[in-house]
Amino acid sequence: EAQVTQNPRYLITVTGKKLTVTCSQNMNHEYMSWYRQDPGLGLRQIYYSMNVEVTDKGDVPEGYKVSRKEKRNFPLILESPSPNQTSLYFCASNGVRGGSGANVLTFGAGSRLTVL
Amino acid sequence: GQQLNQSPQSMFIQEGEDVSMNCTSSSIFNTWLWYKQDPGEGPVLLIALYKAGELTSNGRLTAQFGITRKDSFLNISASIPSDVGIYFCAGPPLRGATNKLIFGTGTLLAVQP
Repeated sequence: EAQVTQNPRYLITVTGKKLTVTCSQNMNHEYMSWYRQDPGLGLRQIYYSMNVEVTDKGDVPEGYKVSRKEKRNFPLILESPSPNQTSLYFCASNGVRGGSGANVLTFGAGSRLTVL
Repeated sequence: GQQLNQSPQSMFIQEGEDVSMNCTSSSIFNTWLWYKQDPGEGPVLLIALYKAGELTSNGRLTAQFGITRKDSFLNISASIPSDVGIYFCAGPPLRGATNKLIFGTGTLLAVQP
């Protein structure tokens, strides 16, 4: 089954304790991205990657890092989490470079993170 | 940057009722997408619109791409309990990464059996 898999689905941590949220897709997609969802704000892009070793900042990148060493994986790293990073995080992928299909993202099921 | 505003913020309806929600922007979009997020899941694409004035249906769902390219509408006819969820409009920014989407603030739909 074609899918985007995120782990963990739920995590409670404390301020300053480094954590990584993994994302893996089995569709051989070049494009991957991370969004965070907050009430009243919709989904906002954190980082994206157009291909292996190619990453760039989205709209809200502060406090996050990413890496793209392999095509299928795109982990989100919080080096020193803070309470304002408490949110619902989504990984997404797309395999179309241009044209109308370029905007049809496939999302993971989400990772709910709470930072105390 | 470009923003998308959705209304209403939430809706509480009875099963069988029709639903209308809309999405507006102060700037134009060349593509409008409607996603649905079921509780505990990620957003899933419902309808994609690529041309101003376009009207597209997907079962009981109908969406329209506004003529001005600054708005879009989603209608759900004869709602059922499984329509519950958050509905997001989205569109790619005119400038920036090709695959990026800007999302609206979402409309929460609750359906009472």
